[in-house]
Amino acid sequence: AAGVIQSPRHLIKEKRETATLKCYPIPRHDTVYWYQQGPGQDPQFLISFYEKMQSDKGSIPDRFSAQQFSDYHSELNMSSLELGDSALYFCASSGLSVSGEQYFGPGTRLTVL
Amino acid sequence: GQQLNQSPQSMFIQEGEDVSMNCTSSSIFNTWLWYKQDPGEGPVLLIALYKAGELTSNGRLTAQFGITRKDSFLNISASIPSDVGIYFCAGQLYGNKLVFGAGTILRVKS
Repeated sequence: AAGVIQSPRHLIKEKRETATLKCYPIPRHDTVYWYQQGPGQDPQFLISFYEKMQSDKGSIPDRFSAQQFSDYHSELNMSSLELGDSALYFCASSGLSVSGEQYFGPGTRLTVL
Repeated sequence: GQQLNQSPQSMFIQEGEDVSMNCTSSSIFNTWLWYKQDPGEGPVLLIALYKAGELTSNGRLTAQFGITRKDSFLNISASIPSDVGIYFCAGQLYGNKLVFGAGTILRVKS
């Protein structure tokens, strides 16, 4: 079965640079969630989109923005990167038919030098 | 904010033993989910629970949604080496964001 696709899998950036992470949800899933996971930590919710509209917002820095496009893929844009932004970033998707169940992608490992 | 207390923090068990871990919360959730994560990979959904008191099995895994809606447990029977990983509980309200526990690190000695 098709899973959530994230790209790139690994990204290395310098401080103050910009990064864009992409997420392609499972086909027919209409909701996308973004999570950040630091080393040895549990995933922390950043932001979510339902039917291309922002549905919830967590502890996402103002330097980050995200959107969901007409084909339901989502992008997380991160500007003025800081060392503390180094983490695993996961996208998860869900659909109405499996309400509550979120399926995670493989993640993007962002390293800020 | 909402917080989940997950225990134990880590376990080192003999292959073939049963494992039990649990999560408690000060808040009510209407869905509990259990995930397994391998290092550097995304969490994989193991079991989802939707109803207070619900007991659900998935192979050697059994999970229950506490009657108060503030807790859940996961049991793994007859552990095998591939059960190694980090297990997370997650609570959810009405299909929204997941709130995760801190995770239980499981190591299996063969």
